[in-house]
This record gives sequence, structure tokens and C-alpha cells, in this order.
Amino acid sequence: DGGITQSPKYLFRKEGQNVTLSCEQNLNHDAMYWYRQDPGQGLRLIYYSQIVNDFQKGDIAEGYSVSREKKESFPLTVTSAQKNPTAFYLCASSAGSRSTEAFFGQGTRLTVV
Amino acid sequence: AQKITQTQPGMFVQEKEAVTLDCTYDTSDPSYGLFWYKQPSSGEMIFLIYQGSYDQQNATEGRYSLNFQKARKSANLVISASQLGDSAMYFCAMSGQAGTALIFGKGTTLSVSS
Repeated sequence: DGGITQSPKYLFRKEGQNVTLSCEQNLNHDAMYWYRQDPGQGLRLIYYSQIVNDFQKGDIAEGYSVSREKKESFPLTVTSAQKNPTAFYLCASSAGSRSTEAFFGQGTRLTVV
Repeated sequence: AQKITQTQPGMFVQEKEAVTLDCTYDTSDPSYGLFWYKQPSSGEMIFLIYQGSYDQQNATEGRYSLNFQKARKSANLVISASQLGDSAMYFCAMSGQAGTALIFGKGTTLSVSS
């Protein structure tokens, strides 16, 4: 089945530690995105990539890093520089044109203690 | 810059009634797309409906229709005959010029009661 997979679903980390969230898709989509969701804030864009080996910062990129070495994969690292990392993280992919919908993973709920 | 505004934090409706969820947008791109997504309490994002800026007719998908008023920059979602399973968060989103990402509003929580 084609789809987009995020892992793990729940993640707990101690403050000061870097953590990497996985996102894999087998939809052959060129574009991939990372969003952060906080209560009452909607989805805010962290990073996005339209093509392999290229990515752009979104509205809230500070404290995060990404890589796009393969078309299928777009991991997100939450670094210790991110002041408030506890949130729900959603990865998405799309064919890249303005008329095609984005497909989302199930999300990763990160809790930093 | 593009912006999506959803002004209703919460909406309440009874089963079998219709409900309209508001969405206004702002963009300088002449070509753009408007989307609605549903997010149940499980957290998954479910695509509901799409409207292109040049589409002459309002989009419809089953019980969902999009009331697109281009001059007013609004793209309201209409759910007819609400069901208990419609209780969820609903997000309006917009795509713009090539190479940009989908941007979202803050969402509206819909509660359907029996």
C-alpha cells in the first residue's frame, strides 16, 4: 500500500538531547513537508523540500534541521536549541503542484521532560 | 505573504443539520488552490475537498461542498446532514506559486450532538 509513515508515534526525550523523527513515503512524491501542531495554533511549517538535496526553511525553522538525501525520506532533527520542543509533529508529501493535495503521516507526539 | 484565517474556534451542531465552517484567505498569487482537511482525535489528517482559483463551479464531494467566493476571498466548507462522526478539527489550507508549501489556518473544532 502506498503511503507516508512516521515513526515513532510517541517519543520521550530528556531536555538538552537531540532527537530525530522519521518520515518515509512510497508515493513517489517530489515534495515533502514538516509541520508542528500545538493546541490552538493550527499547523505551522517547519521545513519543506521540493526535490532531493534541497530544502527551505518554513515559518518556525529555528532549532530544527532536516536532510533530503533520498526522495523517499525526509527526517527531522529537533535540536537542543529548540526552546519548546514538546508538540505534535506531522510529516506530509505531495506531487508538488498547487492543485494536488498533501498526504499526511500519522504524526509523532514528542514530549521533552 | 499568504495567510489563512479561520475565525470560529468551535462550532456546535445537531445531527442531520447542515453547518458552515468559515475560511478567508489572502494572497497576491493569481493562481492558487484551497483545501479542507479533517483531523479526528486520533491526529491523522484527512483530505476532504479542493477548489482551484480558476474553477468556475464550487467543488463538491459527497456531503461536503466548498462555497468559493473569490472576490471576498472566502472558501467556506459546508457539511450537509451532519453525523456524529463529523466531530473533529477542520483545517482550511492554501497552496500558492510553485515551490511553496501548503499553509494552514488555526482550525475549527466541530462538535456534533445527537
